[in-house]
Amino acid sequence: QKEVEQNSGPLSVPEGAIASLNCTYSDRGSQSFFWYRQYSGKSPELIMSIYSNGDKEDGRFTAQLNKASQYVSLLIRDSQPSDSATYLCAVNKDRSARQLTFGSGTQLTVLP
Amino acid sequence: DVKVTQSSRYLVKRTGEKVFLECVQDMDHENMFWYRQDPGLGLRLIYFSYDVKMKEKGDIPEGYSVSREKKERFSLILESASTNQTSMYLCASNGQGSSYEQYFGPGTRLTVT
Repeated sequence: QKEVEQNSGPLSVPEGAIASLNCTYSDRGSQSFFWYRQYSGKSPELIMSIYSNGDKEDGRFTAQLNKASQYVSLLIRDSQPSDSATYLCAVNKDRSARQLTFGSGTQLTVLP
Repeated sequence: DVKVTQSSRYLVKRTGEKVFLECVQDMDHENMFWYRQDPGLGLRLIYFSYDVKMKEKGDIPEGYSVSREKKERFSLILESASTNQTSMYLCASNGQGSSYEQYFGPGTRLTVT
């Protein structure tokens, strides 16, 4: 089992729809969870972090965390063509480690 | 804002050459990381450093070494470049504390011919 798993996609949604990106992780000791956006040919950019169960909203983005199910998701409301990118889920490796473990990413395409 | 810079955006080297990739961060971060990213393989950690002169192997250290002589600077060295080291190389940093948020540099696209 991979430490951090994401649906590779590609995921296509129409403009204005809600895009839902999912991620599961294997280490129950993980405490910090991140979503990065990566445009083609560019480096990952941090867009959301979440540390406790529940929802965290930032503009059109909502991160959801369920530690019991070892599941973290990212919702993008009112999706725009500019949201088309690969989204990487990242989890801190364990309670003491400063490292992050990254999923392989979900490619999102927002169709105009 | 956190600023992580990398010495080159694009680099072309020949097989057998010694290659230096440099990363500088301006946020006084203790931790710095080198990754490579390849299609279908995702981000893979090569080496990381928790402090000046400290280094730890990541998941794929073979063929690489690192140097951290100053807190803000972390160098990745390819001792003898090979074609299978053609990749996108990404540097990242984060500070002490509980958040672990990593900030990435723009990346270096290295081609070894």
